[in-house]
Amino acid sequence: AIQMTQSPPSLSASVGDTVSITCRASQGFRNDFGWYQLKPGQPPKSLIYVISPLQSGVSSRFSVTGAGTNFTLTISSLQPEDFATYFCLHDYDGLLIFGGGTKVEIK
Amino acid sequence: EVQLLESGGGLVQPGGSLRLSCAASGFRFRKYAMTWVRQAPGRGLEWVSSISDSGSTSYADSVKGRSAISRDNSKGILFLEMNTLRADDTAIYYCAKSLGPVVNTLEYWGQGTPVTVSS
Repeated sequence: AIQMTQSPPSLSASVGDTVSITCRASQGFRNDFGWYQLKPGQPPKSLIYVISPLQSGVSSRFSVTGAGTNFTLTISSLQPEDFATYFCLHDYDGLLIFGGGTKVEIK
Repeated sequence: EVQLLESGGGLVQPGGSLRLSCAASGFRFRKYAMTWVRQAPGRGLEWVSSISDSGSTSYADSVKGRSAISRDNSKGILFLEMNTLRADDTAIYYCAKSLGPVVNTLEYWGQGTPVTVSS
């Protein structure tokens, strides 16, 4: 079965820092990675698909690089509202798989 | 404006059944694949099931054989029927709209409906 490896599981950072989160799929041949932000008590917020914002209003501080089955979400100049848990999502042959999540905490 | 409104969650005894609904509006429902995702307490996001615009379905191994996803395109409603419920099915269940007609990344999410499986 396809495996998604998301790293790190958590990180501590300060406002203004730049952080990166990586996802790697064990299988796949398309750049079908989505990225989502999750805060307690709220539904997931869609951020980016491949390299483009999924919805209007997604801050340009969020960017994605990578290719194939290995992608990195970078959050530049962290703001207080960015402290949350982030998930990647890969679709493979009609199946969806989430990464394990990365909790971004305030240092 | 895209809106997804889930309902049908609640407290269910182990071994019981539940039917979740998701009322969609603000887009041409019949043209898009739809998905159910859940989040168990203290856990991450887990894909549950998806259905394409043409009705092709797919399921996570954790619910395969116990669940059935369906859609009523005339009413713009997505369903998830779950049987033989277990404690580890306890979660908030979200419905989500895909970018297109086939199952792919998720664009819009509902607010979720909580399901608790407990005696």
